[in-house]
Amino acid sequence: DAGVIQSPRHEVTEMGQEVTLRCKPISGHDYLFWYRQTMMRGLELLIYFNNNVPIDDSGMPEDRFSAKMPNASFSTLKIQPSEPRDSAVYFCASSTHRRSSSYEQYFGPGTRLTVT
Amino acid sequence: EDQVTQSPEALRLQEGESSSLNCSYTVSGLRGLFWYRQDPGKGPEFLFTLYSAGEEKEKERLKATLTKKESFLHITAPKPEDSATYLCAVRPQNTNAGKSTFGDGTTLTVKP
Repeated sequence: DAGVIQSPRHEVTEMGQEVTLRCKPISGHDYLFWYRQTMMRGLELLIYFNNNVPIDDSGMPEDRFSAKMPNASFSTLKIQPSEPRDSAVYFCASSTHRRSSSYEQYFGPGTRLTVT
Repeated sequence: EDQVTQSPEALRLQEGESSSLNCSYTVSGLRGLFWYRQDPGKGPEFLFTLYSAGEEKEKERLKATLTKKESFLHITAPKPEDSATYLCAVRPQNTNAGKSTFGDGTTLTVKP
C-alpha cells in the first residue's frame, strides 16, 4: 500500500484566499483524521470521520474551516477565507480496528501551509 | 479531562548513552497507549501499542513499558539515527472509538 497520500505538500497563499487540502487514506481504513501541528500548540485534532461520516468536529477552530469525505478514498479540508494564523502543517491520518490493527494511526507526509 | 504529559521536552544523548522518555497520562480507563516517532518534515510514524499495565514491546533499540499511570520508552545504546521527536498518545475508554489524545512529544538528539 502507498500509505496515506496528501496534496499539495506545500501551499503558499495570500490572506483571504480559499485553501483546499486533500487526503487519500489507506485502502480499507474506516477512520480518517485531520490534524494541525504548530510549534506553539503541538498536534491538534481538528476533525475525524468514521465510514465517511463526521464524528467529532470539536477541534475545528472556527467556521472558516470545513471538511468533507465524499467517499472512502478521499477527503478535503477547506479554509475560507484563510488567515496568517492558519499557517501550520496539516496532517491527515487513517486507522482501522480490523485485521489485527487496533486504532493505531498512519499519518500522511503533511501539507505545509503558509498564509501571507 | 484526559491528559497526556511527556517529559523531558528535549533530551540530548551521546551515542551509546542509554536513557528513558516518560509519558504520564490521566484518563478514565485506558483502551490503548501508542508511541510514535516523528522525523523533521514528516508525519508521525507508528511504533508500538500497549494495552495493559506490565506489558512491554520491543523494536531494535527501543523498548516501551506501561504502568497504570505512565509509560516509558527506553532507548538502549542509541545511535544518531534515533534522533527524532517521540510522541505518546492514549485512547481512553470513554471516547468515540478511534480517537486518541496526543502528548507534546520529547525531542531526542543523539550526538555521535
